[in-house]
Amino acid sequence: AQSVTQPDARVTVSEGASLQLRCKYSYFGTPYLFWYVQYPRQGLQLLLKYYPGDPVVQGVNGFEAEFSKSNSSFHLRKASVHWSDWAVYFCAVSPGYQNFYFGKGTSLTVIP
Amino acid sequence: EAGVTQSPRYAVLQEGQAVSFWCDPISGHDTLYWYQQPRDQGPQLLVYFRDEAVIDNSQLPSDRFSAVRPKGTNSTLKIQSAKQGDTATYLCASRQTAEVFFGKGTRLTVV
Repeated sequence: AQSVTQPDARVTVSEGASLQLRCKYSYFGTPYLFWYVQYPRQGLQLLLKYYPGDPVVQGVNGFEAEFSKSNSSFHLRKASVHWSDWAVYFCAVSPGYQNFYFGKGTSLTVIP
Repeated sequence: EAGVTQSPRYAVLQEGQAVSFWCDPISGHDTLYWYQQPRDQGPQLLVYFRDEAVIDNSQLPSDRFSAVRPKGTNSTLKIQSAKQGDTATYLCASRQTAEVFFGKGTRLTVV
């Protein structure tokens, strides 16, 4: 069965530091993968999506993610974090682009 | 373009009361999703439609929850007799092609 694990419930980084949020998926085959961000009292907003192809995908606001089939991972990265990145980040897998299975989320805190 | 609109934004109920949530998807989007997001959790699918047809409602507690999308546009999710365990944010989302768009959700508290 498909599932997503985000092993870090909370991550704290200093503004300007680099960031990596981890995501491991379980799916037989090559899935569609997504990262969403959720600001307080807002809906989820798409950061980036992966379709089979180039393993590194670029998203909005300087975010990128790298797909690894051998590691079943889709980690999110940013070179320099801004205070406005303070939010909750969700990784999701979609088999066949029908339903979406979300991880539990990683809450990012940015220290000035 | 207008986004996915949900109402109400907040609801507070006592156990046993009924409540309905309304969703207006983006115009032209044929697929509509309802997700339940408990506090500090990721969204979990309840049901989704393509046009007016239910595609998957296997995670919808059918004894108390129901969802309809009669004309393939707006949708209503109803909880017949709420329980404290239903406390969560209910998210509606829609898509036509590649990207899924989410509404801001309805935050339900059952006391």
